[in-house]
Formats: sequence, C-alpha cells, structure tokens
Amino acid sequence: KAGVTQTPRYLIKTRGQQVTLSCSPISGHRSVSWYQQTPGQGLQFLFEYFSETQRNKGNFPGRFSGRQFSNSRSEMNVSTLELGDSALYLCASSLGTSVDTQYFGPGTRLTVL
Amino acid sequence: GIQVEQSPPDLILQEGANSTLRCNFSDSVNNLQWFHQNPWGQLINLFYIPSGTKQNGRLSATTVATERYSLLYISSSQTTDSGVYFCAVVTGANSKLTFGKGITLSVRP
Repeated sequence: KAGVTQTPRYLIKTRGQQVTLSCSPISGHRSVSWYQQTPGQGLQFLFEYFSETQRNKGNFPGRFSGRQFSNSRSEMNVSTLELGDSALYLCASSLGTSVDTQYFGPGTRLTVL
Repeated sequence: GIQVEQSPPDLILQEGANSTLRCNFSDSVNNLQWFHQNPWGQLINLFYIPSGTKQNGRLSATTVATERYSLLYISSSQTTDSGVYFCAVVTGANSKLTFGKGITLSVRP
C-alpha cells in the first residue's frame, strides 16, 4: 500500500496570505489528524477528521481550519498567516479507533515571511 | 490532559553502545507509539506498544501500563540511529496523539 502523502512539501508565504495543505491517507484509512511542529512548542495536535466530520480539535485559533472529503483525503487551511505559523505540518492516518496504529506523512514545511 | 515526559532530553553515544530511552505518562492509555524523526522531518513508526514487549532487530520496547512507563532499547547503536525519538500516547475514544518533547540521540563514529 502507498503511504501517507502530503502536498506541497515546501511552501513560502508572506504575512496575511492564506494557505491550503493537502493530505492523502493510506487506502482504507478513515481518520486523518493534523499536527503542527515548532522548535518551541514541539508537536501539537490541530484537529482530527473521521468520515468527513471533525471529531476532535486542539487549542488553535479559528484561522486554522480543515475538512475531509468522501475519499478520506483532507485539507487544512490557515488564513491570515502570521510569522508564528512557520512550522512543519504533519498529517497522520489510521483506521480510526483509539487503538489503531497511526502513520505519518512526510510533512509540509511552511515558512511565513 | 495527559502528561508525557521523556528522558533524558539528550543522549550522546559512541557507535556500538547500547541505550535506554524512557517515556512516563500520567494516565492510562489506549495506544502508545514510539517514533523516530528523520532529518527531513518525517515520523517513522518504530513500535505500537500499549503494553508488553516487542523487538525489531536492534530495537526493542517494553511498556508497563500499570506503572505508566515505556522503555525503548537501542543496542549496538549506529550513526544512522541519530535523530529525535518521540513517544506518543492516545487516551479516550479518538485518535489524538499526545507527544512527549522527544529525546535527541547523537551517535558518534
């Protein structure tokens, strides 16, 4: 099976712009979760989608949003970018229960100038 | 929420040495995974181990769920083992992983 894929791998944006990141899970997986990794805060949970519904949300401002499509692919959007949004954004896919192994994609590295 | 603490924060080894990385967690968990983050940032699954012991080559892991800790053992370390090792846990009925701060391992030739 193909692994989790994320596009694009690298992005450079300026403050105030918006950005959309994409994640394609492993075939058959119904859960997609998003994480932000920064040197200062480590790996932080953004949100999880399961069967097109947001099932869980982390402590991030409303500028961060996401969605999941019927084929389980997910997108996350960040509006009005701030310098502090510069980070590695990782997505993980799983079958969807709390006891399932989660698999991560290669990440999207976002730089906000 | 659950707290995940990893120790030591940094570890420097000579090639060929053995090491033990520790992960303590503050509540019962449904899922515990160990990851190695490669230099390009991808998290590579090492073990899914909410309880018990598993081995994969030079790596092995043990989780004692009743005492709320997990150990990752690396034997005969190689320079390619360098990187950051994360422990992450799931509590509750969803898939949210809570990560520790990671352990940075440097293996010198």
